[in-house]
Formats: sequence, C-alpha cells, structure tokens
Amino acid sequence: QKEVEQDPGPLSVPEGAIVSLNCTYSNSAFQYFMWYRQYSRKGPELLMYTYSSGNKEDGRFTAQVDKSSKYISLFIRDSQPSDSATYLCAMSARRGSQGNLIFGKGTKLSVKP
Amino acid sequence: KAGVTQTPRYLIKTRGQQVTLSCSPISGHRSVSWYQQTPGQGLQFLFEYFSETQRNKGNFPGRFSGRQFSNSRSEMNVSTLELGDSALYLCASSDPGRSLYEQYFGPGTRLTVT
Repeated sequence: QKEVEQDPGPLSVPEGAIVSLNCTYSNSAFQYFMWYRQYSRKGPELLMYTYSSGNKEDGRFTAQVDKSSKYISLFIRDSQPSDSATYLCAMSARRGSQGNLIFGKGTKLSVKP
Repeated sequence: KAGVTQTPRYLIKTRGQQVTLSCSPISGHRSVSWYQQTPGQGLQFLFEYFSETQRNKGNFPGRFSGRQFSNSRSEMNVSTLELGDSALYLCASSDPGRSLYEQYFGPGTRLTVT
C-alpha cells in the first residue's frame, strides 16, 4: 500500500460546481497536511496548510482532515475555469525539512465554462 | 520580489551523458530543495540544501548529486543519464526562519533523455 493515495482523475465539472478532492494515507504519524495547485508548465504552489485534524477555510477553499479515517479533502466552492489545474496533496510527520513531505500523484481538474 | 528561477527550462540529452540544472531561489531564502516529477511516480524528493550543506536526501542513486553556493543558488547534476531520468525537475526555496512548511517552486526544467 502506498503511503499516500490520490485519484488521478481527470475530474471534469461545470463552472459553479462544488469540487471535492481527496487523499488517503496509511501512516498514522502524519500530522501536517498540505494542498498544492499546479498549473500546466508551472511548479506547484501551496494552497492550504492544516495541522492535525479539523477544517480550515480560505475563501472558496476548505481543507478538511480526518485523522481517524486517514483521509483528507479539499473542497472548492463556486468553481471557476481558472481553477483548472492539477491538485496535489502532501503530508508530513514532522515540521521542518522538506524531505519529510510525501506527495500524492495529483488529481487533474477541469472546470468547464 | 522575483520568484524561483530555473535554467534551462527544456533540455534534451542522450543516454550516458551528464546534465547540470540550475536554480536561483527567492532572495533571502537559504533552503533549496529539488524534486523529480514524473507521471508514474509523481513528485519525489531528491535533496535539500541549507546554507551550503545537504540537510536531507531522498532515495535516489548516487548519479544524482547537488550543491549549494554561498549565495544560496543551487545546482543539481545527473551523471550517466538513463531513459528513466526523463522528468520535470523542480526546485523549491523556503525561508525556515519565517515558515517551516511553506516552500515556493520554480517552473521546472523538463529533461528528455533519448
């Protein structure tokens, strides 16, 4: 079993839809969780960061962590064509060194106008 | 403030050759990490440098090496290239004094090995 599993998609939704992106993980020591967005021909950019369980909201984006189920989600409300990108989850057991981050393979999202 | 820059953006090499990729971090960032991204394996950590010292290394063969200079610029080198080394190589910089988790990625170098 891979440490981090993420459905690669592609996921296609109409503009204005609510999008749900998910990752599951096997390492119960993970406690730092991140979501990155990667546009075509660009590097990933950090969208959301969450520590331990719970929800975090930032504008149209909500990150949710359920440590009991080893499951994290990113919700995008009122999706826009500009949200079309690949979304990567990442997680770590320790703060600090970037070498501790484990990435999912990414879900490709397409928002149709 | 200028972002992370990587040169070259695209590179085509043949098997057996070696290649050097360059990364200039955001001004003031002293930590630089390198990643390999492929469709099959996703984003995989290569190594991290902080103040010219390698702080962490991923699970890659010794053909992959890197270094960091006193101005925080970093290079990575791949010797004896193999077809499987074809990938997007990403560099990311961070300022551990400000944030221990936030890193900024460059646009990457697309390496094709033929």
